[in-house]
Amino acid sequence: DGGITQSPKYLFRKEGQNVTLSCEQNLNHDAMYWYRQDPGQGLRLIYYSQIVNDFQKGDIAEGYSVSREKKESFPLTVTSAQKNPTAFYLCASSRGGRDEQFFGPGTRLTVL
Amino acid sequence: GQSLEQPSEVTAVEGAIVQINCTYQTSGFYGLSWYQQHDGGAPTFLSYNGLDGLEETGRFSSFLSRSDSYGYLLLQELQMKDSASYFCAVRNTGRRALTFGSGTRLQVQP
Repeated sequence: DGGITQSPKYLFRKEGQNVTLSCEQNLNHDAMYWYRQDPGQGLRLIYYSQIVNDFQKGDIAEGYSVSREKKESFPLTVTSAQKNPTAFYLCASSRGGRDEQFFGPGTRLTVL
Repeated sequence: GQSLEQPSEVTAVEGAIVQINCTYQTSGFYGLSWYQQHDGGAPTFLSYNGLDGLEETGRFSSFLSRSDSYGYLLLQELQMKDSASYFCAVRNTGRRALTFGSGTRLQVQP
């Protein structure tokens, strides 16, 4: 079955530590995206990538970094520079730049 | 920049019809999409409007008026399982990524 996987589902980290969130898709989609969602809020774009080895900053990229070395994978690193990292992180992919995006189940990150 | 406005909460009864509005401001508008998200879950795509008019998919319909920078999602024959948050999202020609609204929480009552 095709889809997007994110791991882990829940993640706890101490303040000041970097943490990497995994996102893998087997839909053969070119474009991948990372969003942050805070309670009762919409999705805010962190980074996106249209092709391998290329990515662009979204609206809230500060304190985050990404890589796109393979078409299937788009990991997100939450660095210690991110002032308020506790949130629900969602990864998505789409065929080209189409508006129909497919989302993974999300990772809920809590920084203690 | 881009901005979207939608009501924060809507309540309706089972079997009724509900309309969720979305107004947007963006340069180089490309299209308006709608997504559904149940509590704790991932958003799922519902519909896309690139041109003016109504798009129908089963019990759900979506409308767009580009001249008014306005769209809506219409849910008919409401069911309890429709209780969720609904997000409108726009894409402009300058960026191949979506900007989401803050979401409308729909509560369907028996």
